[in-house]
Amino acid sequence: RKEVEQDPGPFNVPEGATVAFNCTYSNSASQSFFWYRQDCRKEPKLLMSVYSSGNEDGRFTAQLNRASQYISLLIRDSKLSDSATYLCTSGTYKYIFGTGTRLKVLA
Amino acid sequence: EPEVTQTPSHQVTQMGQEVILRCVPISNHLYFYWYRQILGQKVEFLVSFYNNEISEKSEIFDDQFSVERPDGSNFTLKIRSTKLEDSAMYFCASSGQGSAGYTFGSGTRLTVV
Repeated sequence: RKEVEQDPGPFNVPEGATVAFNCTYSNSASQSFFWYRQDCRKEPKLLMSVYSSGNEDGRFTAQLNRASQYISLLIRDSKLSDSATYLCTSGTYKYIFGTGTRLKVLA
Repeated sequence: EPEVTQTPSHQVTQMGQEVILRCVPISNHLYFYWYRQILGQKVEFLVSFYNNEISEKSEIFDDQFSVERPDGSNFTLKIRSTKLEDSAMYFCASSGQGSAGYTFGSGTRLTVV
């Protein structure tokens, strides 16, 4: 089983839609979890941390489910500018990235 | 906003040559990392560095690779004898705490011909 698994997509959604991504991780000892956003040929940029209690930042909500070993990202009211690849990562001191989920928001 | 700086942005080298990729992490950060991303593939961990020594490395980080922090600001990745399959984007990252999210540099695109 891969350490971090994501559906590669692409997810094609209309502007204004709500979209959710899931990510599973295999290392139950992982202590930290994050979502990153990566635009084409650019570096990953930290989007948000993920906690069991949930974490909300504007239109973005992230959640961790330790029992099932998955993390999620919910994007509400999608904008064209949200089009990117979303990477989840887990680990302790060293983070393993998933392959990323491509999101295309369509006008 | 503080940033991680990488140079050069693009390097072309001949197979078998040595390359050094340079990074200036955020000044008060203590943890440093190198990752690579082959075109169209995922971001892969290479090595982590803390307190002037390697704390973890992946299977990719074999004897051809080495890292150094030669002074208080630079963090370098050296590939001794490049192979075609080393062609990738190399990202440096740093964090203030081991459990904190990283800040990545904009990357060095290495092309081995």
